[in-house]
Amino acid sequence: DTEVTQTPKHLVMGMTNKKSLKCEQHMGHRAMYWYKQKAKKPPELMFVYSYEKLSINESVPSRFSPECPNSSLLNLHLHALQPEDSALYLCASSRLAGSTAQSTGELFFGEGSRLTVL
Amino acid sequence: AQSVTQPDIHITVSEGASLELRCNYSYGATPYLFWYVQSPGQGLQLLLKYFSGDTLVQGIKGFEAEFKRSQSSFNLRKPSVHWSDAAEYFCAVHTGGGNKLTFGTGTQLKVEL
Repeated sequence: DTEVTQTPKHLVMGMTNKKSLKCEQHMGHRAMYWYKQKAKKPPELMFVYSYEKLSINESVPSRFSPECPNSSLLNLHLHALQPEDSALYLCASSRLAGSTAQSTGELFFGEGSRLTVL
Repeated sequence: AQSVTQPDIHITVSEGASLELRCNYSYGATPYLFWYVQSPGQGLQLLLKYFSGDTLVQGIKGFEAEFKRSQSSFNLRKPSVHWSDAAEYFCAVHTGGGNKLTFGTGTQLKVEL
């Protein structure tokens, strides 16, 4: 059983809709991540939050808007998406250590939210 | 910048046969190395990791991997494959800075019964 929970598991939305993906973990991890994964491809990093602050944005279009309300929750707000944004969206978390807030790279992934944009 | 190469896109093995999945990385120092597995429609699960020390690391589900600095490799092995091992396997590297995990392109494993 995964300790990172993502909802919803499946989402179908039109290009004019506004929706949100949610992610929750209770492992005390202080880094949380959003990845996008297309079929037969590796996950691509979108955003990283460290101590609830956005630390990495991989030049993601503004139609994707992340939010980290607290240390356990991570949201991805979706607006005006395109059909090519259809993918599996994976949330992950990891420990942070040291004064420089570094992760070891050992990530715990949720099962993902399958997004289809019509 | 670091990179990860998985030269085999697809591998098919018979159940009970041994398995080796290849992974090569490019980085100036010794990175943190990982193998993740992904079943269809699922998230990624960590199989094993290498940070330092003993170059042969044991993971879950009977998998092991060996770090070879001279070859910049971190190959995944299993002595006897089970049908449930059919999945996508990703090698990944983390260099300790920037909190970024770089994945290889993955190897799709099929198991013939």
